[in-house]
Amino acid sequence: GDSVTQMEGPVTLSEEAFLTINCTYTATGYPSLFWYVQYPGEGLQLLLKATKADDKGSNKGFEATYRKETTSFHLEKGSVQVSDSAVYFCALSGNTGNQFYFGTGTSLTVIP
Amino acid sequence: NAGVMQNPRHLVRRRGQEARLRCSPMKGHSHVYWYRQLPEEGLKFMVYLQKENIIDESGMPKERFSAEFPKEGPSILRIQQVVRGDSAAYFCASSPLPGTGSYEQYFGPGTRLTVT
Repeated sequence: GDSVTQMEGPVTLSEEAFLTINCTYTATGYPSLFWYVQYPGEGLQLLLKATKADDKGSNKGFEATYRKETTSFHLEKGSVQVSDSAVYFCALSGNTGNQFYFGTGTSLTVIP
Repeated sequence: NAGVMQNPRHLVRRRGQEARLRCSPMKGHSHVYWYRQLPEEGLKFMVYLQKENIIDESGMPKERFSAEFPKEGPSILRIQQVVRGDSAAYFCASSPLPGTGSYEQYFGPGTRLTVT
């Protein structure tokens, strides 16, 4: 069945460091891929998405490219800020079902 | 345009009591999804509902859990005879169309259930 495997955390970075959070997926057909962010005590907010191979989603300095050949959707940011501290979830929505499949989440802490 | 509303935000129940969690989807959305997030884990799908219909309940535990989305009013997730293992954050999401393909789901702030 469909599934998402996400890099284990927690991740701690200094401000202005480069961020990569790995995400790979297993799915039949052509899923859509998403990154959601969850700040402490809050719900999930959509960060970015990509709906087909080679699409690049971007928002707030974050980017992720839908790589069908490697079944990956890694999240990157060139220079993280303290305010980026949160839990990041990779997710997919298959084209045969109604549910989203989430990774286990990666906790990011950015220190000044 | 208000987002997805969930209440209560925090709920404490003793073992054996009932928990009722409410979700009002975004305006114009008629599809609701419930997810459970256990401590240190990702979200797990529970159930997908449209107005007056359960479309997919493949993630719902077979006993004690039920969900509804009536013609009027919010969607309700009910947990009967709660146990400590039910302690989790329960998130509701809504979408204007079935959540397949590129249509993202919009999440509420969640209800954090604690069973004592």
